[in-house]
Amino acid sequence: KQEVTQIPAALSVPEGENLVLNCSFTDSAIYNLQWFRQDPGKGLTSLLLIQSSQREQTSGRLNASLDKSSGRSTLYIAASQPGDSATYLCAVRSGNTGKLIFGQGTTLQVKP
Amino acid sequence: ETGVTQSPTHLIKTRGQQVTLRCSSQSGHNTVSWYQQALGQGPQFIFQYYREEENGRGNFPPRFSGLQFPNYSSELNVNALELDDSALYLCASSLGHLNTEAFFGQGTRLTVV
Repeated sequence: KQEVTQIPAALSVPEGENLVLNCSFTDSAIYNLQWFRQDPGKGLTSLLLIQSSQREQTSGRLNASLDKSSGRSTLYIAASQPGDSATYLCAVRSGNTGKLIFGQGTTLQVKP
Repeated sequence: ETGVTQSPTHLIKTRGQQVTLRCSSQSGHNTVSWYQQALGQGPQFIFQYYREEENGRGNFPPRFSGLQFPNYSSELNVNALELDDSALYLCASSLGHLNTEAFFGQGTRLTVV
């Protein structure tokens, strides 16, 4: 059974700091891994998609890596800003149906 | 190109009632999946529709049902509402259901009293 874990559950950093969010999964048989951002009470915004054959993806100040063999992904945020404050969720697409299995999320607060 | 839209955005229902939530998929997407997100938790998979057929279901009771229409929009129906059904319900659409990117709507906040 695929399980996804995100550490830490919460993180508070000063503005301008570079930071890393972690995601681990138990079964390496995945189609892809997706990172999302969620603002309080809102839906999910897709940040980055990494296919199982890829090692990393970049978008602006965000960089996500994938090590399928070890069941790990990291989301690197450079030069954090207060507007980055949100909950970040990772999800793997796996199984016969390709359903998304989510971690619990990391809630990030960036202080001005 | 329009994104994924859900309606209504908020809903309050009484225990025992029935509710229908709606989702319009992103243009060109043929797969819709539904998720339940309790406060402080990650979303949990309810079920998925691919080309109008249910092709996957999570660990939810039969009172959670749905369908997908020929235009690929979808409905989630919940009968005999319970207090624990209070949650944010999220709809996602994608082109295909295996190695594609999922796009989510803004969610429907359901409160059962």
